[in-house]
Amino acid sequence: AQKVTQAQTEISVVEKEDVTLDCVYETRDTTYYLFWYKQPPSGELVFLIRRNSFDEQNEISGRYSWNFQKSTSSFNFTITASQVVDSAVYFCALPYNAGNMLTFGGGTRLMVKP
Amino acid sequence: DTGVSQDPRHKITKRGQNVTFRCDPISEHNRLYWYRQTLGQGPEFLTYFQNEAQLEKSRLLSDRFSAERPKGSFSTLEIQRTEQGDSAMYLCASSPTSGVSYNEQFFGPGTRLTVL
Repeated sequence: AQKVTQAQTEISVVEKEDVTLDCVYETRDTTYYLFWYKQPPSGELVFLIRRNSFDEQNEISGRYSWNFQKSTSSFNFTITASQVVDSAVYFCALPYNAGNMLTFGGGTRLMVKP
Repeated sequence: DTGVSQDPRHKITKRGQNVTFRCDPISEHNRLYWYRQTLGQGPEFLTYFQNEAQLEKSRLLSDRFSAERPKGSFSTLEIQRTEQGDSAMYLCASSPTSGVSYNEQFFGPGTRLTVL
């Protein structure tokens, strides 16, 4: 069965601090994708990244970086020099059934204070 | 705006009433998904369509729920005889089946349902 666990339900940091959001997943698939989405207060889920299980290289996009470790079934997300606009709920997700449905973690609420 | 749109954005109804939500996907996307999100939780899959065919339904989708995508474009989600437990955000997403964005689901703003 597919499962995504985001153990941190809420994180509070002060602006300019670095913060890492954890994601641990379970899957029986040998190849799979992993996703991160951001849900700001407005409510709309915003796609951040898709990662293929073949590729364990870390990825960096501006202040965002992702650390994928297949050996520990983790796909962690780091925001460097956090900003107030980063305040949102962040979800990690794992597709199943040929990638047609997403299983989401419970989300991590990030609050960045000025 | 070429994103996924949903209508209405908010719906308040009394228990026992029927409600219908609409989703317009990104025009070139042939997959369309419905999810439900309750407060403090991640979205949960309800159903998905490829073109006009409904290919998968979650156990969460009781007999009171029905979804259609008659022409493979927009979709509707109807809830009959609403219950207070139906109060949630209903999210629609669409995805292409080819190209660089293959399998990426793009979400709409959601319809927030409150059942009194």
